[in-house]
Amino acid sequence: EVQLVESGGGLVQPGRSLRLSCAASGFTFDDHALHWVRQAPGKGLEWVAGVSWNSGTIGYAASVRGRFTISRDNAKNSLYLQMNSLRAEDTALYYCARDWSQSYYRGFDYWGQGTLVTVSS
Amino acid sequence: QSALTQPPSASGSPGQSVTISCTGTSSDVGGYDYVSWYQHHPGKAPKLIIDEVTNRPSGVPDRFSGSKSGNTASLTVSGLQAEDEADYYCSSYAGGKNFVVFGTGTKVTVL
Repeated sequence: EVQLVESGGGLVQPGRSLRLSCAASGFTFDDHALHWVRQAPGKGLEWVAGVSWNSGTIGYAASVRGRFTISRDNAKNSLYLQMNSLRAEDTALYYCARDWSQSYYRGFDYWGQGTLVTVSS
Repeated sequence: QSALTQPPSASGSPGQSVTISCTGTSSDVGGYDYVSWYQHHPGKAPKLIIDEVTNRPSGVPDRFSGSKSGNTASLTVSGLQAEDEADYYCSSYAGGKNFVVFGTGTKVTVL
């Protein structure tokens, strides 16, 4: 069974950092691209960042570029999101999502349950 | 990198059909056949129901169908059922700096 389990969320002050993790199981990890998608309270889905199977292709939403870094460790079946200089508008439920392809984006066929990040003083 | 435009809401009675539009530009929807649709019930993880514009993943009922014309993609739900009441989002690859963009979301109500 495919499982994606996010962790690392919590309450953090503006300007501080947080690192999210996504532990994957039930599939061949390096056969798939992976992405982070977030949903702010009462808002829609927003793509945050993505990484191809071998980290050869990486992309970021304009709203997080320069502050967030996506990475993956294929040996540990894990995806990460390093979030620096956090802002109130980064408050959201952060989902880890698996793309069904290796390349980069075809469609997100499995999602985790999300980890909540709250940025507030 | 702007969100794709979807109508905020759509509705239909059980058994009827509803079609949701997703309008982008030639840099996203119109430029690639990498348009996906997701069904999202509040409190649950989103579910992929259409990828690559028209492809239905295994297990998705054939009541769901996708299409594209120019810069606008569409999702049609035929034979509406109560469990189809949810939020629906389109998404597209947007090239450039390896962007992916979601639509603004449509809340479907089954009357």
